[in-house]
Amino acid sequence: DVKVTQSSRYLVKRTGEKVFLECVQDMDHENMFWYRQDPGLGLRLIYFSYDVKMKEKGDIPEGYSVSREKKERFSLILESASTNQTSMYLCASSPSINRVSNQPQHFGDGTRLSIL
Amino acid sequence: AQSVTQLDSQVPVFEEAPVELRCNYSSSVSVYLFWYVQYPNQGLQLLLKYLSGSTLVKGINGFEAEFNKSQTSFHLRKPSVHISDTAEYFCAVTPPRGGSNYKLTFGKGTLLTVNP
Repeated sequence: DVKVTQSSRYLVKRTGEKVFLECVQDMDHENMFWYRQDPGLGLRLIYFSYDVKMKEKGDIPEGYSVSREKKERFSLILESASTNQTSMYLCASSPSINRVSNQPQHFGDGTRLSIL
Repeated sequence: AQSVTQLDSQVPVFEEAPVELRCNYSSSVSVYLFWYVQYPNQGLQLLLKYLSGSTLVKGINGFEAEFNKSQTSFHLRKPSVHISDTAEYFCAVTPPRGGSNYKLTFGKGTLLTVNP
């Protein structure tokens, strides 16, 4: 079974701090994704990566950056945390076969981040 | 670009009753369609997917969905629900092939509450 592991289930940080959220997958997947989930808004894509050191902006990249130095690890960085970044953050991964997107994404259990 | 509309934000039902969760999508190209389920305090799990072929697809836990191209819908159904089906359900679409574009577009979710 695919396992996507997010380093923290709950995290509390202060405004202005630099925050790192870590995600590791164990299935050698090429694609990795970061979403935030807010009540009534569903999941919104922040960034995704389709290869090591490659990244593309999603729908709401402002205030975030990402790092993918190794295939299995995808980090989300809040450069200067603000209260409006309080949210549930979900990481996902999927394989890339012939560059066709019919493979489902596998999700971690999420990190509930509170910015005070 | 594509979009997904889940017509009901909340659906309360009694145990053993049938349920239908509605999903409509908009896209200028053909799409792949997915339903995911999120149980409390967990990440998302794939319920089922439609890629091509038979328009009726069966998934896990007794769920099924029917793809209707003319109505651009992909409604999820279960003939008899259990308390354990209480969860949030997300419909999602992605274009079949788009270079590095493996992005899923999610609906805002439908909270299914099964009451005894």
